[in-house]
Amino acid sequence: GNSVTQMEGPVTLSEEAFLTINCTYTATGYPSLFWYVQYPGEGLQLLLKATKADDKGSNKGFEATYRKETTSFHLEKGSVQVSDSAVYFCALMTNYGGATNKLIFGTGTLLAVQP
Amino acid sequence: DGGITQSPKYLFRKEGQNVTLSCEQNLNHDAMYWYRQDPGQGLRLIYYSQIVNDFQKGDIAEGYSVSREKKESFPLTVTSAQKNPTAFYLCASSSGTGFYEQYFGPGTRLTVT
Repeated sequence: GNSVTQMEGPVTLSEEAFLTINCTYTATGYPSLFWYVQYPGEGLQLLLKATKADDKGSNKGFEATYRKETTSFHLEKGSVQVSDSAVYFCALMTNYGGATNKLIFGTGTLLAVQP
Repeated sequence: DGGITQSPKYLFRKEGQNVTLSCEQNLNHDAMYWYRQDPGQGLRLIYYSQIVNDFQKGDIAEGYSVSREKKESFPLTVTSAQKNPTAFYLCASSSGTGFYEQYFGPGTRLTVT
């Protein structure tokens, strides 16, 4: 079946460090891929997305490239800030029951950035 | 501003009571969704609705019920049949049934004792 696997956290970094959060997926067909971010006590916000192979999604300094050959969508940022501390969810969207598209989430990775 | 509102933010109930969580959107979206989030886990789909007066079960619908009488509203009832109701509940909406982005509300944390 369809699934998403994320690296386990927490990931603890110092401010201005380089961030990578690994995400791999299993899916039939051609899913769209997403990264969502959840700040403490809040709902999810879409961070970036990619809808086809080799697409790069980017937002707020974060990037992720849709790699079909390695079924991966790793999240990267060159220089993290304390304000980036949050839980990051990788997700894929694929057809569900032939009508409505369903989001399938990874378990989330907690990022803690220290000053 | 357009968005999704969920109320209340925190909800406490005694075991055996039904409780209804509110979800309202003013984005003019056709599709709405309910997810459950447990600590250390991703989100799991409870119910979804593509249009008014229609809804479908997700992966973990047992013990839950929904209605979709208006386009803007998709309330979720957690019934006494739900064995482990304590969780963070998130509502989302999207503009259609293609690969459209889902927008999430701020969530309701339900605690049942």
